[in-house]
Amino acid sequence: SQTIHQWPATLVQPVGSPLSLECTVEGTSNPNLYWYRQAAGRGLQLLFYSVGIGQISSEVPQNLSASRPQDRQFILSSKKLLLSDSGFYLCAWSTGAGYYNEQFFGPGTRLTVL
Amino acid sequence: AQSVTQLDSHVSVSEGTPVLLRCNYSSSYSPSLFWYVQHPNKGLQLLLKYTSAATLVKGINGFEAEFKKSETSFHLTKPSAHMSDAAEYFCVVWSGGTSYGKLTFGQGTILTVHP
Repeated sequence: SQTIHQWPATLVQPVGSPLSLECTVEGTSNPNLYWYRQAAGRGLQLLFYSVGIGQISSEVPQNLSASRPQDRQFILSSKKLLLSDSGFYLCAWSTGAGYYNEQFFGPGTRLTVL
Repeated sequence: AQSVTQLDSHVSVSEGTPVLLRCNYSSSYSPSLFWYVQHPNKGLQLLLKYTSAATLVKGINGFEAEFKKSETSFHLTKPSAHMSDAAEYFCVVWSGGTSYGKLTFGQGTILTVHP
């Protein structure tokens, strides 16, 4: 069966510090991968998605970036965090583009920027 | 283009009474529709999905939803609420085309269940 991992589970960082969040998927090959941010009372915002190694699409302009160095690894980064980067970050995966395109979510990372 | 509107940001029910969470969507293509549930500080769990088969879709934990194309709605129901149903619920649409699996999420409905 497929599983998705995220770490760390929680993170407290000062403004201006770098960020690296990691997501890995097990039990599937060539998944589509997604990073979402969930801010309090604002639903889910898609940040990045990837259909393959090295292929990253950005949905919103921001000081975050994403990379996919391996097929089942997706990394969210920032060189300098802002207060507005605080939130709950969720990684998700799905099979390739198709009609039955549900996404499966990881447990999330709670990021607090002080 | 696609969008989804959850008509209630909060719903409060008593344990044992029915649950109705409302969702309307718009889509340029025949959509796939989903309901997800999120418990506090947890990831999202898929409750059910509609993918153009039966319009009445049954999901986990006794939930079901009915796709009504004429009303562009996909409301989530449950006959009898349990305390464990208290969570946030998201209605989600995917309408293919060139979306490559990009889902559009509603703003969420927080369900409170009173004893």
